[in-house]
Amino acid sequence: QVQLQESGPGLVKPSQTLSLTCNVSGGSISSGGYYWNWIRQHPGKGLEWIGYIYYSGYTSYNPSLKSRVTISVDTSENHLSLKVTSVTAADTAVYYCARQRAALRRAEFDNWGQGALVTVSS
Amino acid sequence: QSVLTQPPSVSAAPGQNVTISCSGSSSNIGNNYVSWYRQLPGTAPKLLIYDDHQRPSGTPDRFSGSKSGTSATLGITGLQTGDEADYYCGTWDGSLSAGVFGGGTKLTVL
Repeated sequence: QVQLQESGPGLVKPSQTLSLTCNVSGGSISSGGYYWNWIRQHPGKGLEWIGYIYYSGYTSYNPSLKSRVTISVDTSENHLSLKVTSVTAADTAVYYCARQRAALRRAEFDNWGQGALVTVSS
Repeated sequence: QSVLTQPPSVSAAPGQNVTISCSGSSSNIGNNYVSWYRQLPGTAPKLLIYDDHQRPSGTPDRFSGSKSGTSATLGITGLQTGDEADYYCGTWDGSLSAGVFGGGTKLTVL
């Protein structure tokens, strides 16, 4: 059973860069067949897709966040990372990593991490 | 403002049946597969339904999914108090080239 675990600072200052890592265990990212996603949830709100990466490094980002977001993968360490630059209070959210079957016309997330709360505040 | 539209809340008594709707457009639901998630308070979402109506192993057959045109529906029969949660629909949007979700529906089992 694949397990995902997010980690990173819980507090980031405005204008700085938010950085999170998602460690994947029980399966190898480089096996292929899956996209590895970041999804966030603002306090008391719904889900917002941030983007995904394939093991090859291919990425796709939410157009609304694309200019500030970078997702990368380290297949040797079996983890993916998220960076969001120039953060504001509007980036305060629980950030989830999630696995998605790499298939056309779908965005189904079958495995999720427990989530990491990131607060943007001075 | 979510791309997919869900009712903010639904409620029903234990043992009854309930449906949750999810409305979109031809660029998302109309041409892509819908998935449904359940989120208990303080926990991560969990996949309930994929490919419009398929149940992953572990999803009870009390849960069903359907789709017609640009709308999808999650059905739950024989409601239990443990079904109280937030439910989200999601799919891919070809025009946005992005994953999209509904705003979520809070299910209350009275």
